[in-house]
Amino acid sequence: TQLLEQSPQFLSIQEGENLTVYCNSSSVFSSLQWYRQEPGEGPVLLVTVVTGGEVKKLKRLTFQFGDARKDSSLHITAAQPGDTGLYLCAGESRRLIFGQGTELSVKP
Amino acid sequence: DAGVIQSPRHEVTEMGQEVTLRCKPISGHNSLFWYRQTMMRGLELLIYFNNNVPIDDSGMPEDRFSAKMPNASFSTLKIQPSEPRDSAVYFCASSLWGQTQYFGPGTRLLVL
Repeated sequence: TQLLEQSPQFLSIQEGENLTVYCNSSSVFSSLQWYRQEPGEGPVLLVTVVTGGEVKKLKRLTFQFGDARKDSSLHITAAQPGDTGLYLCAGESRRLIFGQGTELSVKP
Repeated sequence: DAGVIQSPRHEVTEMGQEVTLRCKPISGHNSLFWYRQTMMRGLELLIYFNNNVPIDDSGMPEDRFSAKMPNASFSTLKIQPSEPRDSAVYFCASSLWGQTQYFGPGTRLLVL
C-alpha cells in the first residue's frame, strides 16, 4: 500500500514567520501535487511537480520534489493570515494518493 | 463557468436510511472522481469514471456503497443502508483526461 506521510500535522505560527511542510513516502511517484483546502470547500491544486529535484515557486511558496521522486516539501516565506488552511500533498501513480494534511494557522 | 456542483451540501440521516449524493461535473470534463474525507483517514478515493465508465472502484468500502454515472453531466453515490461510520465529507471532482482535478464543495454527511 502506498502511503504519504505529512509533517507536521498541525502548525500554528505568527504572521511573518517562515515554515516548511514535508511529505514523505517509501514509494516513487510519477508526479506529486500540493493542494490547499479551506473550511467548507474542496481542495484546490497549487502546483504539480514532475521531475526529480524540481523546484517551483508560486509567490511566497516554494515547492520541491525530491531527487528520487519519493518526497516533497512546501516552504512558505513570511506567512500571512491568508495562508491559513489545510495543505495536502498527493502522489500520483495509477491514482492520486493523498497525505493526511498539515493544518496551518497563521496568527496576525 | 460553474465549477463542480454537489448536492446536498449537508445531509443528516438516521442509521439504516438510504443516502444519495449527487454531482454535476464541469462541462466537457470526461473523468469523474468520488472521494471521502475524514479526520482519521484523510482524503480517500472511492471510485472514478472515465467517459461514464467505472474504471477503479477498489476504494469503495463495501457493498453498501454504489456509484453510477448515467451520462456525462451527472453522477450519484448511494449508501444503503447508511451507518454512523459513514459520516464524513464526500467530494466529487472532475478532470479532462485525468489532468488537473477540480473538486466540488463537498457534501457533509452525518449518520446518527
